[in-house]
Amino acid sequence: AQSVTQLDSHVSVSEGTPVLLRCNYSSSYSPSLFWYVQHPNKGLQLLLKYTSAATLVKGINGFEAEFKKSETSFHLTKPSAHMSDAAEYFCVVSGLGGFKTIFGAGTRLFVKA
Amino acid sequence: EPEVTQTPSHQVTQMGQEVILRCVPISNHLYFYWYRQILGQKVEFLVSFYNNEISEKSEIFDDQFSVERPDGSNFTLKIRSTKLEDSAMYFCASRGGFSYEQYFGPGTRLTVT
Repeated sequence: AQSVTQLDSHVSVSEGTPVLLRCNYSSSYSPSLFWYVQHPNKGLQLLLKYTSAATLVKGINGFEAEFKKSETSFHLTKPSAHMSDAAEYFCVVSGLGGFKTIFGAGTRLFVKA
Repeated sequence: EPEVTQTPSHQVTQMGQEVILRCVPISNHLYFYWYRQILGQKVEFLVSFYNNEISEKSEIFDDQFSVERPDGSNFTLKIRSTKLEDSAMYFCASRGGFSYEQYFGPGTRLTVT
């Protein structure tokens, strides 16, 4: 069985400062992990994915995430926040075969000017 | 760039009525999914579909729900007798055969009155 926990429901940062959105997962198998972003009243856009290749994954818009098996974590980071990063971010785990996908509860990122 | 499309963007229906939500996945994709997101809540997996049959379904996906790929291009979600609690945004997604990365449509907002 798979599960995913996003440790913060809200994160607030100032523009230009680093972003850290935390995600822990549980999976019976070697998981595929994703981060998706949802801007207000918009659909879901893939930021990045981990599928058992490099543990440090780079995505779009300067985001990256590191898969740490020992900590069962897949935290999302960005060195410098931009106002346009304000959105809801979902950590997602996909199980064996990719047939069932579990979303985390989401973390809303606020970026202050 | 190919994308997943969904129609209608917004559907209003009365309680007890049947609704059909339509999705056109990316043309060479093989796996298809439906999710829902109740306002302000997390994205919930409903069902996955592969090779003309359901691969996985969640507890939410009860006998009131059904999916179909009637003509090789559309992928539909039918709710037989809608309830107030079915009001949500419904997302369709698809993926190819070699990656677990799912591409999401823009969603259909279903309002049951």
